[in-house]
Amino acid sequence: SQQGEEDPQALSIQEGENATMNCSYKTSINNLQWYRQNSGRGLVHLILIRSNEREKHSGRLRVTLDTSKKSSSLLITASRAADTASYFCATAQETSGSRLTFGEGTQLTVNP
Amino acid sequence: GAVVSQHPSRVICKSGTSVKIECRSLDFQATTMFWYRQFPKKSLMLMATSNEGSKATYEQGVEKDKFLINHASLTLSTLTVTSAHPEDSSFYICSALPGQGSETQYFGPGTRLLVL
Repeated sequence: SQQGEEDPQALSIQEGENATMNCSYKTSINNLQWYRQNSGRGLVHLILIRSNEREKHSGRLRVTLDTSKKSSSLLITASRAADTASYFCATAQETSGSRLTFGEGTQLTVNP
Repeated sequence: GAVVSQHPSRVICKSGTSVKIECRSLDFQATTMFWYRQFPKKSLMLMATSNEGSKATYEQGVEKDKFLINHASLTLSTLTVTSAHPEDSSFYICSALPGQGSETQYFGPGTRLLVL
């Protein structure tokens, strides 16, 4: 298994529903970040949660971090068709400084 | 703020030629930039860390003579794919850290390379 595994690999929901994506990792981290990528484009930073934080909110986004289980979740509430994208978690490991290790990503499709 | 550009956005070249990709931080200085490679429907793979004024640090398995990185200024890093072959075809993405202590990387829009 790789650092930063995500599930599900793909998620299809209806507009207005909530979307939850999960990420697991293996080593101790300084922080965990979530990014969004529209098809064929660069990444957009969504939210960063530090290892001493358990939950963070930003608009319709809610991120949780459980360092004992080495896992994180990203919740998007009241989804919109424009939320359709790939979502990646990335960890900054304690031994790697600012280098990020990305998960495999979740492809989210929000149907209008 | 925190905008990163890449040029070109896409390039097609013949096998055996070299291709240079530029990564610029437009509104901030970046002592550290990163280069990633992404295959279709796959995750990002870190290739190297580019530090202004010093040699790049390459990840295990990445050939430094194949992928030349130059970070000559605080706003520009370049990746040159030397003697490109079809297997080098990929999506190359750079990111930049806006200064010491920053935890958030800002990503460029990516460069699609197709080697014929």
